[in-house]
Amino acid sequence: DTGVSQDPRHKITKRGQNVTFRCDPISEHNRLYWYRQTLGQGPEFLTYFQNEAQLEKSRLLSDRFSAERPKGSFSTLEIQRTEQGDSAMYLCASSPWTSGRQDEQFFGPGTRLTVL
Amino acid sequence: GENVEQHPSTLSVQEGDSAVIKCTYSDSASNYFPWYKQELGKRPQLIIDIRSNVGEKKDQRIAVTLNKTAKHFSLHITETQPEDSAVYFCAASKAGGSQGNLIFGKGTKLSVKP
Repeated sequence: DTGVSQDPRHKITKRGQNVTFRCDPISEHNRLYWYRQTLGQGPEFLTYFQNEAQLEKSRLLSDRFSAERPKGSFSTLEIQRTEQGDSAMYLCASSPWTSGRQDEQFFGPGTRLTVL
Repeated sequence: GENVEQHPSTLSVQEGDSAVIKCTYSDSASNYFPWYKQELGKRPQLIIDIRSNVGEKKDQRIAVTLNKTAKHFSLHITETQPEDSAVYFCAASKAGGSQGNLIFGKGTKLSVKP
């Protein structure tokens, strides 16, 4: 499968615990985006990377959230001291950015987080 | 910042009928407008997109139109089939620059009745 992959697909945690999600983009896609989707809503932008550089963060990304893309390939999103309001689907998307289809974003299957 | 409004929130049609979903955006600098289809429990899938230098684009049974002056764009699905049932999201972005993150509408749940 050469699409965007995310791990784990589901995560249940207790309030106050830390969680980390991983996203593997399509090979050679140099832009990587994180979104959050709650039930009945469209995805909301959190942050994005151009290669290893984190270029923009949404105000939705509180200090408890941190994202990295250390080698410009896979990315991790960590949430510290989880709260029940963090329960959502966390989606990753990648974009080629350097071809004629640079605006297109391809989504992964998401990680569904449930905070008890 | 950009705001995208999408209507209707639910749409039910008979198989074979057409379906139209409409979106408006607020930021005149937005220039890229994709549509995504999301089936229950699955990832959003890009089905068609349009850029601001084009007024209409068609791909088999789906088409998208863009009115830059009015700042609205629409998705048209003809000859609907039960497998078209899903939630459809419109989105807007300022592509080609340092941003490019998508701003999504709230979605339209399309039900196609056989």
